[in-house]
Amino acid sequence: EIVLTQSPLFLPVTPGEPATISCTSSQSLLYSNGHNYLDWYLQKPGKPPQVLIYLNSNRASGVPDRFRGSGSGTDFTLKISRVEAEDVGVYYCMQSLQTPRTFGQGTRVEF
Amino acid sequence: QVQLVESGGGLVKPGGSLRLSCAASGFTFSDHYMSWVRQAPGKGLEWLSYISYSGSIISYADSVKGRFSISRDNAKNSLYLQMNNLRAEDTAIYYCAADRREGEWLGLWHWGQGTLVSVSS
Repeated sequence: EIVLTQSPLFLPVTPGEPATISCTSSQSLLYSNGHNYLDWYLQKPGKPPQVLIYLNSNRASGVPDRFRGSGSGTDFTLKISRVEAEDVGVYYCMQSLQTPRTFGQGTRVEF
Repeated sequence: QVQLVESGGGLVKPGGSLRLSCAASGFTFSDHYMSWVRQAPGKGLEWLSYISYSGSIISYADSVKGRFSISRDNAKNSLYLQMNNLRAEDTAIYYCAADRREGEWLGLWHWGQGTLVSVSS
């Protein structure tokens, strides 16, 4: 099973400032088609998760461009260029290269 | 608009069974894999299972293999999760999620609101 390790687990942020979350995989998530099968999800308080980024760097429909995913192989990063109030919640990375699909532990982002 | 509505959760005794349902609308259900993901109280997300468009391909997490069974009825735009031999550690919110389409991965691109399953004597 692929293990995803996120850091930090808690991230205090300041509105308007940048924020960065890391996700490290126990195995490469790079497939032969050139895609890294790593997604990012945000779970806002009391809500179901929503996809932010799929295939490492593609923003999902409606996701603001202040969110950016990058990385390759085993090391991935989610960057928020300027944190807004609506960005608080728990961020998860998830790999879909192999089953079982696995999530990181989650990173709680709070003001 | 796209909607996924889970139902069937509730309180059940250890060793008991429940069947969860997920009603889909607003998209071509039969074109998509579908997944179940759960979240124990105060904990992170755990992927449980997916099923392919026709149901011919199924995968499970080890934690539920042999106890849970995923199925779908494309005529009814519905996804199911039969849960047997339930344990206290199965207590969680269970989400259904819309999954990949042929040749296209957009992540788990839509989630239901979830249904709560509590396993306790």
